[in-house]
Amino acid sequence: AQRVTQPEKLLSVFKGAPVELKCNYSYSGSPELFWYVQYSRQRLQLLLRHISRESIKGFTADLNKGETSFHLKKPFAQEEDSAMYYCALGMDSSYKLIFGSGTRLLVRP
Amino acid sequence: EPEVTQTPSHQVTQMGQEVILRCVPISNHLYFYWYRQILGQKVEFLVSFYNNEISEKSEIFDDQFSVERPDGSNFTLKIRSTKLEDSAMYFCASSEGGPEKLFFGSGTQLSVL
Repeated sequence: AQRVTQPEKLLSVFKGAPVELKCNYSYSGSPELFWYVQYSRQRLQLLLRHISRESIKGFTADLNKGETSFHLKKPFAQEEDSAMYYCALGMDSSYKLIFGSGTRLLVRP
Repeated sequence: EPEVTQTPSHQVTQMGQEVILRCVPISNHLYFYWYRQILGQKVEFLVSFYNNEISEKSEIFDDQFSVERPDGSNFTLKIRSTKLEDSAMYFCASSEGGPEKLFFGSGTQLSVL
């Protein structure tokens, strides 16, 4: 069955430290992977998608099909990065996204 | 920037009652979705809607649920005979194409008593 796993409920780092939010997926077809973010009191919004291969707000994520992972990374965390981060899986010929349970990132000053 | 609008932000209802959750998608978007998140659980797909019909639905979306686009702007989710376990945050989303970039509303918190 298709699944997205985010093993950490909470990740706490100090400002300026590197961040890696883990995401693993289970899907036998050709996956599309996304990171969505929800800042405090704001709506869920797309941060980045693997197909774009871009850096958004200093975040990058590389799809590793061998390890079935799509970890989100940032070399130097900022306090404004504190938010809930959700990894999501899109599948062939499907309109739905499967979300992970989310990781709360807390960046301390 | 255009936004998806959901009303009401909170809805309290008695078990067995019907509720209608309303959404106004972004105007040039063609695909519409409902997701829900039960407290402490994952965001779950309910249904997608395109060209005035359901394009995909999950196992959760049984006969108790229905969606409608009654006019050119609104997209509604109706839950007939609500149950306690329907209590959740319900998110509407829209997109220009498929699920490549979803724009979410701020959600309706439904509490069934």
